[in-house]
Amino acid sequence: DAGVIQSPRHEVTEMGQEVTLRCKPISGHDYLFWYRQTMMRGLELLIYFNNNVPIDDSGMPEDRFSAKMPNASFSTLKIQPSEPRDSAVYFCASSSDTGARTEAFFGQGTRLTVV
Amino acid sequence: AQKVTQAQTEISVVEKEDVTLDCVYETRDTTYYLFWYKQPPSGELVFLIRRNSFDEQNEISGRYSWNFQKSTSSFNFTITASQVVDSAVYFCALSGGLYSSASKIIFGSGTRLSIRP
Repeated sequence: DAGVIQSPRHEVTEMGQEVTLRCKPISGHDYLFWYRQTMMRGLELLIYFNNNVPIDDSGMPEDRFSAKMPNASFSTLKIQPSEPRDSAVYFCASSSDTGARTEAFFGQGTRLTVV
Repeated sequence: AQKVTQAQTEISVVEKEDVTLDCVYETRDTTYYLFWYKQPPSGELVFLIRRNSFDEQNEISGRYSWNFQKSTSSFNFTITASQVVDSAVYFCALSGGLYSSASKIIFGSGTRLSIRP
């Protein structure tokens, strides 16, 4: 398996623009996580899905952020409108739960810079 | 609420020294899972180990070893005979069961480990 695939790897955008980050989880995994990493706040869980259904979005910072998972092999995280404070590395991760909690496997991350 | 504390922000040692990274966790769950991840300078997050709350047996994998103690809510990570390639940020993480969203993985703030030649 190719692992979790995120695109783009880098994104530079102007304040106010819409940004869409994409993620393809590992095939067969039924959990998908979106994390944000900054120097100040570390690794924060934004939202996670189970079987394409959002389970906990309490980490989504505000209404400008939205996430979808239309099918088992694709998820998006959208920021509209973007602001400079959204600059961070965004990670997508997936895991499977076969009765025992398993580790999450992470993508390479998307480095977002909002200028 | 669940919480993971890595009190050591940065550690710097000379190559070949042993080094222990501390991790203390809080949870109300009786069943939970602990993890360690490594983030090298290239930025990816690499899974190292998973431990469930019923298994307090320590584990050794090459130069790496982990000490899990429920009595002190700690899951410490030791690197023996450290090497420059061990330089990275190391994260401890926790996922729970009954009192928290299942499979929600919470990370500590990380410990930046620098190994000097």
